[in-house]
Amino acid sequence: EAQVTQNPRYLITVTGKKLTVTCSQNMNHEYMSWYRQDPGLGLRQIYYSMNVEVTDKGDVPEGYKVSRKEKRNFPLILESPSPNQTSLYFCASSFGGDYTFGSGTRLTVV
Amino acid sequence: GIQVEQSPPDLILQEGANSTLRCNFSDSVNNLQWFHQNPWGQLINLFYIPSGTKQNGRLSATTVATERYSLLYISSSQTTDSGVYFCAVGTNAGKSTFGDGTTLTVKP
Repeated sequence: EAQVTQNPRYLITVTGKKLTVTCSQNMNHEYMSWYRQDPGLGLRQIYYSMNVEVTDKGDVPEGYKVSRKEKRNFPLILESPSPNQTSLYFCASSFGGDYTFGSGTRLTVV
Repeated sequence: GIQVEQSPPDLILQEGANSTLRCNFSDSVNNLQWFHQNPWGQLINLFYIPSGTKQNGRLSATTVATERYSLLYISSSQTTDSGVYFCAVGTNAGKSTFGDGTTLTVKP
């Protein structure tokens, strides 16, 4: 089954403790992207990657890092999480602009 | 960046009614999609429609790229249609922008 898999689905962490949210796709898509969704603000793009070793900032990249060492994986790294990064995060992959989203990761930073 | 406006922001319907959701965007785009976010938060791809018209059961969508808008039609609405409908646009450069969504409530 074609899918985008994010882990974990839920995470509660403390301020300053580094964490990684993993994202993997099995569709051989070149394009992958991360979004955060906050109440009343819709989805906002954090980072995207057009291909392996190619990443670029979206609209809200501050406080996040990404890497794209292989086509299928696109982890989102929070080096020092803060409470304002509490949000619902979605990873997506795309071919020709046709997106497939993961199930989301609900992150709470206390 | 590209601005995306969706209307109406909220819509309440009686089961069986029809509705039209609109998405306006401020610049030329290569990609346009409609998504449904169900009450459990899952994003479901409805249409990839940078131009033209597509239909899938009770749902159809039309994008007029030259006039920078897209419409999503829902006919004979059902309670399971409730949720938030997002329009997302993008360019070949990789950036994508979502509208703020239309929250649809279908009452039995």
